[in-house]
Amino acid sequence: GENVEQHPSTLSVQEGDSAVIKCTYSDSASNYFPWYKQELGKRPQLIIDIRSNVGEKKDQRIAVTLNKTAKHFSLHITETQPEDSAVYFCAASDGAGGTSYGKLTFGQGTILTVHP
Amino acid sequence: SAVISQKPSRDICQRGTSLTIQCQVDSQVTMMFWYRQQPGQSLTLIATANQGSEATYESGFVIDKFPISRPNLTFSTLTVSNMSPEDSSIYLCSVAIGSDTQYFGPGTRLTVL
Repeated sequence: GENVEQHPSTLSVQEGDSAVIKCTYSDSASNYFPWYKQELGKRPQLIIDIRSNVGEKKDQRIAVTLNKTAKHFSLHITETQPEDSAVYFCAASDGAGGTSYGKLTFGQGTILTVHP
Repeated sequence: SAVISQKPSRDICQRGTSLTIQCQVDSQVTMMFWYRQQPGQSLTLIATANQGSEATYESGFVIDKFPISRPNLTFSTLTVSNMSPEDSSIYLCSVAIGSDTQYFGPGTRLTVL
């Protein structure tokens, strides 16, 4: 089955700096890579996702890059703000039409702290 | 996205008892899933809830411990049976609406004494 490794486990940055979180996956059949943000006591919320036919996707201050050859993908947050502080999870899936029927395998999570 | 609700939001239960968690969506969805999030940990898939047939369980999870129902395209239940303190976790349902994208319910925080 799929295995997703996420690094770093904790990340501390100053407000305004950039933050980068990296994930690697093992199953070459995976083709869908979402990122979730989970604030304390809240549900995971989808912030951005990317599919394997795209190498990069941006949405305002966040971006995700994908390297299918190396089997890794990264989340980039620019101009970080204190409200970006949360736990971030990457995940991988071979899609709703694949053999795993869309189930997500999650990374271990990264605790991001943005200091004012 | 869909509006997803879960009941109960939290519960404290005695060991040996069972708890049924409900997940309701405001629109028909393709797939429904149940995840467990142990304290300070990541999310682990328990099973895929299949409409009209038995759920598909992941390695380490069995139907006798986590029976799941999905009677229609908007509702599912997860039962945590014969609970022990190790079952203390947040249980989350998620839904996929016609694509890969999954949205999560608010979760049920379970404490077993």
